[in-house]
Formats: sequence, structure tokens, C-alpha cells
Amino acid sequence: QKEVEQNSGPLSVPEGAIASLNCTYSDRGSQSFFWYRQYSGKSPELIMFIYSNGDKEDGRFTAQLNKASQYVSLLIRDSQPSDSATYLCAVSNSGYALNFGKGTSLLVTP
Amino acid sequence: EAGVAQSPRYKIIEKRQSVAFWCNPISGHATLYWYQQILGQGPKLLIQFQNNGVVDDSQLPKDRFSAERLKGVDSTLKIQPAKLEDSAVYLCASSSRVYEQYFGPGTRLTVT
Repeated sequence: QKEVEQNSGPLSVPEGAIASLNCTYSDRGSQSFFWYRQYSGKSPELIMFIYSNGDKEDGRFTAQLNKASQYVSLLIRDSQPSDSATYLCAVSNSGYALNFGKGTSLLVTP
Repeated sequence: EAGVAQSPRYKIIEKRQSVAFWCNPISGHATLYWYQQILGQGPKLLIQFQNNGVVDDSQLPKDRFSAERLKGVDSTLKIQPAKLEDSAVYLCASSSRVYEQYFGPGTRLTVT
């Protein structure tokens, strides 16, 4: 079974701080990596994807990928209470079908 | 652009009963997925369609689950007979190109 591992949390950060979410994966054939945000009772929504080693920035979000270490992370700068949600890491070896982790619960406190 | 539509939104059935879920993907999206999300876990892919052909159904419990996508548009997922452990949210997603996948609101199934 190809695993995607995330710390379930909750990860609690104060408003304005940087939240760091981490994910490891077991399938070395994985080609693309995704971060989804899921609010309670809602469906997942795509935040970012990355497929090359290094950093990719989009607004307050930065995805980091290290294929050698089989590690991907998401940084959220200037965290807001509205960022409180579960963050799902997903990997794919095709760019289509996704293998999700269990998610990390993030709580941003005012 | 309308999103992925699913119905019903909620369903409660007794074990050993059957149930069906419907999904209408975003117009023009050739790829359609069904995921199962059990409370506290990430979504698990059940089946992936490309147009009306199955690409991946390796995690679909075929003794009780079936899915079809007629004419390459709408899709139905059926469970027969349902078990208690089938209680979950069933998510439909669609995509037109790689790296983009849009999820519907999901159907919450409770099996009693």
C-alpha cells in the first residue's frame, strides 16, 4: 500500500504566525503533489500543486518539495483564523488520480 | 461555470439495503472520480473514469460496489448490500486536464 503520512494535529498557531504543515510519502514513482484545504462539512478545495523539487509560492502559501527525502510541506504565512481547516496532502504518479493523507487539522487562534 | 453536482446530499439506510448516488461533472470534463471519505480520514479513490471507460477501479469493493458512466457524462455509484462500514461521505470529482480536480459537495451516507 502506498502511504501518504501526515501528523493529524491539531496544529495551533497564533494569528499572524507561520503555519508549517508536513507530509511524507512512500511511492518513489510519485510525480505530482497537491495540498487541499477542507473546511468542516465541506469538500476539498485545491490550494496548490507542485511537481519540481524546490519551492513554489502563491500568495501567502508556499509549497516545498524534496523528492530525495520524499517530503512535501506547506507554509502559510500571516495565518488568519479563516485558515483554520484540515489540510490534506495528496500525491499522484499520473497527475490525475490522487492518493490522500489523513490530513492535518490547523487552528489559528486570534 | 457550474460546479460538480451530486445528489442526494444525505442518505440514511439500514444495513443490507441498497443505495445509489448520482454525479454530474463540470461540462466538458472527460475525467470523473468517485472517492470515499470516512470521518477523520482523507478521501480514498474508488474509481476513475476517462470518458465512459474505467481507468482505475483497483480500490472499489466490487462484491458490493458498482459504478457506471453512461455517455461519458453523468455517473452513478451503487452499493448493494450496504454494510455499517460504508458510512462515509462519497465525493465525486471531475477534471479536464492534469493537476486540476474539482470536487462536488459530496453525499453523506449513514448506514444503521
